[in-house]
Amino acid sequence: EVQLVESGGGLVQPGRSLRLSCAASGFRFADYAMHWVRQAPGKGLEWVSGINWDSSRKVYADSVKGRFTISRDNAEKTLYLQMNSLRADDTAFYYCAKDKNLYDLDYMDVWGKGTTVTVSS
Amino acid sequence: DIQMTQSPSSVAASVGDRVTIACRASQDLKNWLAWYQQKPGEAPNLLIYGASSLQRGVPSRFSGSGFGTDFTLTITNLQPEDFATYYCQQANSFPLTFGQGTRLEIK
Repeated sequence: EVQLVESGGGLVQPGRSLRLSCAASGFRFADYAMHWVRQAPGKGLEWVSGINWDSSRKVYADSVKGRFTISRDNAEKTLYLQMNSLRADDTAFYYCAKDKNLYDLDYMDVWGKGTTVTVSS
Repeated sequence: DIQMTQSPSSVAASVGDRVTIACRASQDLKNWLAWYQQKPGEAPNLLIYGASSLQRGVPSRFSGSGFGTDFTLTITNLQPEDFATYYCQQANSFPLTFGQGTRLEIK
């Protein structure tokens, strides 16, 4: 079974850092691009970042560029999101998602259950 | 950034009805568009990609159409499990962007 399990969320003060992890199983993780998508409470979906299969391409939403860093460990089948200088408007449910296509960054066909990040003093 | 605008923001319908949701892009996407369904408390689920290709496992009552800047998701013969929020997403250029969502409610 294809599965993504996020972890690392929690309550953090503004300006501090947090690292999210996403453990993948049931598919050839190293072949697929991966994404982070977030959803603020009661709001819509916001794409945060994506990384291609070999980490040669990393792309970010303008709202997180320069503060967040996406990375992956293909040997460990794990995706990461390092979040620095966190702000109140980063409060959201964070989803890890697998790209549908080999090597590309476009559509998200498998999603984790998500992890909650709350930024508050 | 490409702006995605969905209409309507919400729609009420009955079981068995046909519903159409529109999505307009601020730039030409060609066919780089997807549709997702999200139920309360759950992660989104990919329904349609490439504007009109049905994702494996998705019922055939879901269909997508459009090219360029105007796209449509159609659900025929609405079932109780279809009442959810639907999002379009463009994959033509970065950053990837979603529409604001359309909530499909039971009439």
